Amino acid sequence: QVQVVQSGPEVRRPGASVKISCKTSGYTFTNYCLHWVRQAPGQGLEWLGIINPSGGTTIYAQSFQGRVAMTRDTSTSTVYLEVGSLRSEDTAVYYCARDHGRLRWDYYFDYWGQGSLVTVSS
Amino acid sequence: EIVLTQSPATLSLSPGERATLYCRASRSVATSLAWYQQKPGQAPRLLIYDASNRATGIPARFSGSGSGTDFSLTISSLEPEDFAVYYCQQRSDPLTFGGGTRVEVK
Repeated sequence: QVQVVQSGPEVRRPGASVKISCKTSGYTFTNYCLHWVRQAPGQGLEWLGIINPSGGTTIYAQSFQGRVAMTRDTSTSTVYLEVGSLRSEDTAVYYCARDHGRLRWDYYFDYWGQGSLVTVSS
Repeated sequence: EIVLTQSPATLSLSPGERATLYCRASRSVATSLAWYQQKPGQAPRLLIYDASNRATGIPARFSGSGSGTDFSLTISSLEPEDFAVYYCQQRSDPLTFGGGTRVEVK
């Protein structure tokens, strides 16, 4: 069965960076893109971007360009999200979610990780 | 950016009742719209994609309709596990979500 397992909670100071991992299993890693979506406490959902594990191609939401980086390791079926220049408004649960489309980019999310809480506080 | 406006913000209903949730887009998204359910402390779950297609394993009591700018999600008869927050999502660049509708027990 498909599993998406994320790394644990992180606490960072403003201005620092954080790197979150998302390990997948139960399907062919390179056949499906992966997205990152975040949710601030008590708030709605915000899309950060997408990575194609096959070639490593990424597309970032404009509001995050220059501050986030998505990478992948095909040997471990893992994708990573790094967010830099953290500020208090980046405090959120960050989710990794698989794209619904096989060998295409559907931009719907069918399997989600459990979320990684990132707290930014001085 | 396409803004998705969900209504009502909160829906208070009893188990067994019919629930209808709405999502309006600021401009046409054709049928490129999905619905998700989220329970406290959990990740969202895909219910409906392409406006009316149920995702794998989603019960038949969930149905979606609409096209262009106006969409709806209907739960034909609420089960206890359906009380949650529901989000719509469109996939035009940039991808955006609605603000959510909370379905609570009356």
